[in-house]
Amino acid sequence: DVKVTQSSRYLVKRTGEKVFLECVQDMDHENMFWYRQDPGLGLRLIYFSYDVKMKEKGDIPEGYSVSREKKERFSLILESASTNQTSMYLCASTSSREQFFGPGTRLTVL
Amino acid sequence: QQQVKQSPQSLIVQKGGISIINCAYENTAFDYFPWYQQFPGKGPALLIAIRPDVSEKKEGRFTISFNKSAKQFSLHIMDSQPGDSATYFCARDAGNNRKLIWGLGTSLAVNP
Repeated sequence: DVKVTQSSRYLVKRTGEKVFLECVQDMDHENMFWYRQDPGLGLRLIYFSYDVKMKEKGDIPEGYSVSREKKERFSLILESASTNQTSMYLCASTSSREQFFGPGTRLTVL
Repeated sequence: QQQVKQSPQSLIVQKGGISIINCAYENTAFDYFPWYQQFPGKGPALLIAIRPDVSEKKEGRFTISFNKSAKQFSLHIMDSQPGDSATYFCARDAGNNRKLIWGLGTSLAVNP
């Protein structure tokens, strides 16, 4: 079975802190995604990576950056966390049509 | 970017009833329409998917109906059970790079 793991289930950070969210997949997928999920707003794509060191902005990239140095790992970085970045963050990967999701990281920024 | 419009936002169904969730898209240039199911505390997982050359696809109690001329597709859950209580997302492919365009989700509650 495909497994997508995220480094933390819950995270509490302070405004202005630099935050790293890590995602690892074990199925050699080329494509990886970071989404945020907020009530009533569905799944919004933050960034997408289609290969190592390759990235593409999604619909809401402002305030975020990403890093993909190895195929299995895709990191989301909040350079200076703000309260409006409090959300559920979901990582996904795919090599075909089906996206496989991690369990999510619920980030609270105080 | 062209969206997928999903309705209703929330749905309450009695055990044994039929749950129906509808989605509409804006042009016909796409060839993959999946539905994802998300339980509380979990990431979404693929439930069932359809291509537009098929009008209906059934997997157990779950059926996708596709109406290409109306640009609509729907999920029917027959004999709904409390264990079906979850958030359901429809989506369409974005045409490249394996991205998906998502509906906003439907929160389904099945009362025992």
